[in-house]
Amino acid sequence: DSGVTQTPKHLITATGQRVTLRCSPRSGDLSVYWYQQSLDQGLQFLIQYYNGEERAKGNILERFSAQQFPDLHSELNLSSLELGDSALYFCASSVEGSGTEAFFGQGTRLTVV
Amino acid sequence: GESVGLHLPTLSVQEGDNSIINCAYSNSASDYFIWYKQESGKGPQFIIDIRSNMDKRQGQRVTVLLNKTVKHLSLQIAATQPGDSAVYFCAESSETGKLIFGQGTTLQVKP
Repeated sequence: DSGVTQTPKHLITATGQRVTLRCSPRSGDLSVYWYQQSLDQGLQFLIQYYNGEERAKGNILERFSAQQFPDLHSELNLSSLELGDSALYFCASSVEGSGTEAFFGQGTRLTVV
Repeated sequence: GESVGLHLPTLSVQEGDNSIINCAYSNSASDYFIWYKQESGKGPQFIIDIRSNMDKRQGQRVTVLLNKTVKHLSLQIAATQPGDSAVYFCAESSETGKLIFGQGTTLQVKP
C-alpha cells in the first residue's frame, strides 16, 4: 500500500458527461501529480500541484481541470467526455516538488460508453 | 524535447537468470531518475532511484546504472523470480518534479 488513495476505483459513464476523480496523498506529501494511462500506453503527465498551487502542466485537455485543496487532497475533473478519454487515471504524491520519489495510487479506471 | 525511451518492449528471461532492462533519455540536464514496476491492474510501484551525481545504486536484488555520457539508464534484477513479471518503466524527473515516463518494458519470467 503506497499510502495514496484514489476514488472511485472504477467509473463507467456516457459520452458528454462530467466526472470527478479524487486523490488523497500520503500524509505529509505536498505535491500531487495526475497521470493518464491509455491501453498499452505509457503514463502521460497531466498536471502537478504543490501545496495548493499549480506547478506544472502537461498535455492536459481544456476539458480537463484539477485543483488541490487546503487539506492537500486533489480532484481531477473531466468534462464533455469522449470515448477516447477511457483510460486509467493515476494520482501520485511526493514530499517535495522535485528530486524525491513519487508514490502512486491504484488508479481510477474510467470507461466512457 | 524531453523523452525517455526503453530499448525493448518485451524481455523474456528464465527464472533464476539475471535481467537487464535498458532506458535512454534525452534531457542531459535531468538529475534524478526512477525505476517503477507496474503489475497488471495496479499503480506503478517505486523500485529504485538514482541521482545524476552517482553512477550506480544497489537495492535488494536490483541495481541501477547511470551513464550520463551516453544518457543511458539500466535496471538489473538478480535471480529473476516469477513475481518480477511486470511492466517496468524508467522515469526522468524534471526540475518541477514531474516524471517523464518511457513506454515500458514487459518482463516475462519463464519457469
